[in-house]
Amino acid sequence: ETGVTQSPTHLIKTRGQQVTLRCSSQSGHNTVSWYQQALGQGPQFIFQYYREEENGRGNFPPRFSGLQFPNYSSELNVNALELDDSALYLCASSSGTSGRGAGELFFGEGSRLTVL
Amino acid sequence: AQSVTQLGSHVSVSEGALVLLRCNYSSSVPPYLFWYVQYPNQGLQLLLKYTTGATLVKGINGFEAEFKKSETSFHLTKPSAHMSDAAEYFCAVSEYAGGTSYGKLTFGQGTILTVHP
Repeated sequence: ETGVTQSPTHLIKTRGQQVTLRCSSQSGHNTVSWYQQALGQGPQFIFQYYREEENGRGNFPPRFSGLQFPNYSSELNVNALELDDSALYLCASSSGTSGRGAGELFFGEGSRLTVL
Repeated sequence: AQSVTQLGSHVSVSEGALVLLRCNYSSSVPPYLFWYVQYPNQGLQLLLKYTTGATLVKGINGFEAEFKKSETSFHLTKPSAHMSDAAEYFCAVSEYAGGTSYGKLTFGQGTILTVHP
């Protein structure tokens, strides 16, 4: 069973640039969620994708957008980068079903973005 | 809206001592509650979860937590700390709203656990 993988692991951008982060979900999982974890903070929910549609969004501006592909992998895009976007971006996949697996997220190791 | 408060951003214990990490939550509906652990430069790993049923839940690595509705708490404990338990621990809540809302967790600020020899 392949776990959640994210790329790139580290990247540096400058203010105003755009970035795309990628995530491959765990085998059999059809739901992907993205979280932003600033230094010293808990993860903050950005949005969730279920079967290629956005299904819930946190308090993030529209310049944060995403995609989910037919194979359930996902991308997070951030436009017009700001200094405060510097953070660890975590992708998590889940089965999106009820029962014993409810709410159990499997996280990747994250992409650490630095904005200069 | 749901929220999570973890009391104590840093907890330090001696190896072999009791570990107690505190978590209080607020939720307008019966919550699903979770504890995750994060080792340096890694993602989060699920320790244990409460959804329904037995209020005392056991997780990996000897950790357990008790859901106390009257106190809106979900404290994490381990009888005897090990050096390998040193990490950051996050409590999280999910309000099950049906359908596919399971990916939306609200996390606390985290508690860094240090274990001294």
